[in-house]
Amino acid sequence: DTEVTQTPKHLVMGMTNKKSLKCEQHMGHRAMYWYKQKAKKPPELMFVYSYEKLSINESVPSRFSPECPNSSLLNLHLHALQPEDSALYLCASTPEGSGSTDTQYFGPGTRLTVL
Amino acid sequence: AQKVTQAQTEISVVEKEDVTLDCVYETRDTTYYLFWYKQPPSGELVFLIRRNSFDEQNEISGRYSWNFQKSTSSFNFTITASQVVDSAVYFCALSATTSGTYKYIFGTGTRLKVLA
Repeated sequence: DTEVTQTPKHLVMGMTNKKSLKCEQHMGHRAMYWYKQKAKKPPELMFVYSYEKLSINESVPSRFSPECPNSSLLNLHLHALQPEDSALYLCASTPEGSGSTDTQYFGPGTRLTVL
Repeated sequence: AQKVTQAQTEISVVEKEDVTLDCVYETRDTTYYLFWYKQPPSGELVFLIRRNSFDEQNEISGRYSWNFQKSTSSFNFTITASQVVDSAVYFCALSATTSGTYKYIFGTGTRLKVLA
């Protein structure tokens, strides 16, 4: 199994809603990543979990809250988002922990629209 | 500072033409890795190649080939006999660990349109 899965594929939410994005990998990878990608832009790193611990937080607003319940699962909890948070949210994983230069394997993304 | 430049914002070619996507990078690290990813309209970033800074051998994989030249800090990607399915945004990326700080830098991407 060499894939990263993400659910849901699409999400529309209001500014007062609370929702969560889910990412899963069963490749035994030790690091997992959240990226945000706006239209016609490259992905921007948000968070990195290495060995289930948060190792990088790229000054992301607190309305985004990551969680890594176990080595295979990564969640991104969303609360009180703004319309400008609408974007494609990509999850990725690497075999080694963060700080390595491994290939990142990406999921298909969740396309989020905030109304 | 580390940087990846993809100067070509968008390229259009007719099917069966060859096309080269340029990537120029900047880094002070002596050990680093370069990557190419393909992002079709569906959104998923598909890994194409990873090359370390000590391996300047060019690589060919089917219709794809990569030319890594440290002297010009370039890692260009050529698609031979392009097909409509090659239409996508292609990202070049640089990865290095500088003083224990992890960096993974994407270029701005090149949108390739292959016309039938």
